Amino acid sequence: DIQMTQSPATLSASVGDRVTIACRASQSISSWLAWYQQKPGKAPKLLIYKASSLESGVPSRFSGSGSGTEFTLTISSLQPDDFATYYCQQYNSYWTFGQGTKVEIK
Amino acid sequence: EVQLVETGGGLIQPGGSLRLSCAASGFTVSSNYMTWVRQAPGEGLEWVSAIYSGGSTYYADSVKGRFTISRDNSKDTLYLQMNSLRADDTAVYYCARDRGSGSYYPYWGQGTLVTVSS
Repeated sequence: DIQMTQSPATLSASVGDRVTIACRASQSISSWLAWYQQKPGKAPKLLIYKASSLESGVPSRFSGSGSGTEFTLTISSLQPDDFATYYCQQYNSYWTFGQGTKVEIK
Repeated sequence: EVQLVETGGGLIQPGGSLRLSCAASGFTVSSNYMTWVRQAPGEGLEWVSAIYSGGSTYYADSVKGRFTISRDNSKDTLYLQMNSLRADDTAVYYCARDRGSGSYYPYWGQGTLVTVSS
C-alpha cells in the first residue's frame, strides 16, 4: 500500500502570507496526485489534480508541483477564505489520502 | 449539474448492519467510477470502497469482507452495505464520483453520519 505523509500537521499564517504544504509518497506515484480543501462540516473540494493542474473555478493563487514522491501545494497570498484543512491524495494505485494540514490564523 | 445525495446514516449498535444510499443526478452512475470515502470525527479522509463502470469493486483492508458496494442502474443510485459494524466505523460517509479511470474526485455528496455505539 502507498502511504502519504503531509507536513506540517498544522500551519499558522496571516492573510497575505505565502504558504507551502508538503506531501510525500512512500513510493513513486508519477504525477497521480490531487489536493483538496475541506472546511468544517463540508465535503472536500478539489483544488489540484495530476500534481499541478488547477481545477476549473479554483483561484490562481493555488498551485501544485512535484512528481515521483515529493509534492507541494502553494498558496501564493493567503486569503481569509483559505483557512481550512488541506489533503493530498494519490491515485496511482488505489487511493490514499494524507493525514491533512490545518491552516489556521496566526 | 452533477449532484450526489447520501442517506441512510444513523445510530447502530456494534455488530449491526446498515445500508447507505447515494442518489445521483446529472449523470449516469453506471457509466462512471464511484467511490465511498469516510471521515471519523476529528480525523482525516479514508478511502473505503470503489466500483468501476465495468462493475469491478475494490475495498480498503479495514472494511474488506464486511462492506459491499453496489449500484442500481435503473435508479442511478450507489449503495454501501455495511455489516458487522464496529465502533471504529463511526464516521461521516461521503460518496464521490471521479473524473474517469479511477482518479481524483471533483464531485462529492454532503455526507451521512454513521455512529456505531451501544
